[in-house]
Amino acid sequence: DQQVKQNSPSLSVQEGRISILNCDYTNSMFDYFLWYKKYPAEGPTFLISISSIKDKNEDGRFTVFLNKSAKHLSLHIVPSQPGDSAVYFCAAYNAGNMLTFGGGTRLMVKP
Amino acid sequence: EAGVVQSPRYKIIEKKQPVAFWCNPISGHNTLYWYRQNLGQGPELLIRYENEEAVDDSQLPKDRFSAERLKGVDSTLKIQPAELGDSAVYLCASSRTASRDTQYFGPGTRLTVL
Repeated sequence: DQQVKQNSPSLSVQEGRISILNCDYTNSMFDYFLWYKKYPAEGPTFLISISSIKDKNEDGRFTVFLNKSAKHLSLHIVPSQPGDSAVYFCAAYNAGNMLTFGGGTRLMVKP
Repeated sequence: EAGVVQSPRYKIIEKKQPVAFWCNPISGHNTLYWYRQNLGQGPELLIRYENEEAVDDSQLPKDRFSAERLKGVDSTLKIQPAELGDSAVYLCASSRTASRDTQYFGPGTRLTVL
């Protein structure tokens, strides 16, 4: 049973526009959420995180929104750049400090 | 600062053969993780070490998988014997502590079992 789901396997966006990546979770015990970015032949790298006590966290072009009632979070990238093309993983911590990943969304930013 | 180092980067073996993966974490990082990533999926935790101690190995298939972290630094993950379903990317990650510190991932070892 997948506890963290990324229902869109891929997303294509024009350079300069907004990219919105979505993630849903089922476990109400998750209390800390992260986004990782992965380029081919490299390991995932941490991008941004949000605690369950917040509903928004911003870092430069990247903003993560959390809707606890809907068990949904999203990553906004504005403006999108070709170098943002990668696979993005949503992940969540439970109280036991175990990190659970979603299946990933491949973002393609076209010049 | 050097990142997490893994070797080999690629490994092709026939089923029933043994295979081992090696990981050297970032210096000073006490917590080390082994993940398995199947094609089209996210990483799944196999085992977590805090120093030399395996503190979470509930997802490790213990009939064929084993891991060790001698001296609390580098680590080895072994599969014996390998099965076709073990084909995946095996990722190692490290963090300063286990308290939700950022996990830094190595490039992974892509295993193909024929």
